[in-house]
Amino acid sequence: QQQVKQSPQSLIVQKGGISIINCAYENTAFDYFPWYQQFPGKGPALLIAIRPDVSEKKEGRFTISFNKSAKQFSLHIMDSQPGDSATYFCAASRPYNTDKLIFGTGTRLQVFP
Amino acid sequence: KAGVTQTPRYLIKTRGQQVTLSCSPISGHRSVSWYQQTPGQGLQFLFEYFSETQRNKGNFPGRFSGRQFSNSRSEMNVSTLELGDSALYLCASSLQGALTDTQYFGPGTRLTVL
Repeated sequence: QQQVKQSPQSLIVQKGGISIINCAYENTAFDYFPWYQQFPGKGPALLIAIRPDVSEKKEGRFTISFNKSAKQFSLHIMDSQPGDSATYFCAASRPYNTDKLIFGTGTRLQVFP
Repeated sequence: KAGVTQTPRYLIKTRGQQVTLSCSPISGHRSVSWYQQTPGQGLQFLFEYFSETQRNKGNFPGRFSGRQFSNSRSEMNVSTLELGDSALYLCASSLQGALTDTQYFGPGTRLTVL
């Protein structure tokens, strides 16, 4: 059962453009929604995270938008750069859970100059 | 501060063998989690250790086991290897393993089962 659905699977964006990755979840008990960035040969690294009590969080060029009623959240990368080319994973977690982080299936982003 | 280290980085085993992977967390971190990453199933949680005790466990067969030592270093073991066990095994450490504690991932161990 895929508890966190992520789209698109791959994304090609021109340098300077906006990259948008979407995730949807089913379990309303989820209480923490991080985004991870993974480069080839490396482990995932936390990019930005949000709790459901806020609708938006921005850190530099990265913004999470959160829609609690729709059970959706998205990552926006403004002014995308070739160095942003990586695989991005959304994830969700809930208190006292046994699954720790439940990850989406990943989005491979390619930013072309 | 040194990051999470995992050894070995690459392993090749044959079906039926067993394997032990090692993870050294960031200094001061007491929670260590293990994840399996495959192209088909993505990132899946295996188990978490805190203060030498398994605190959480994912939905994997009993062939997958682990332990944590008093210095927070952790090992995971897979017995009777199957072809489907070929994957990148990632270790992540965090301070206490609390909900919003950042999990810092190591580079992973690439296991290939022939």
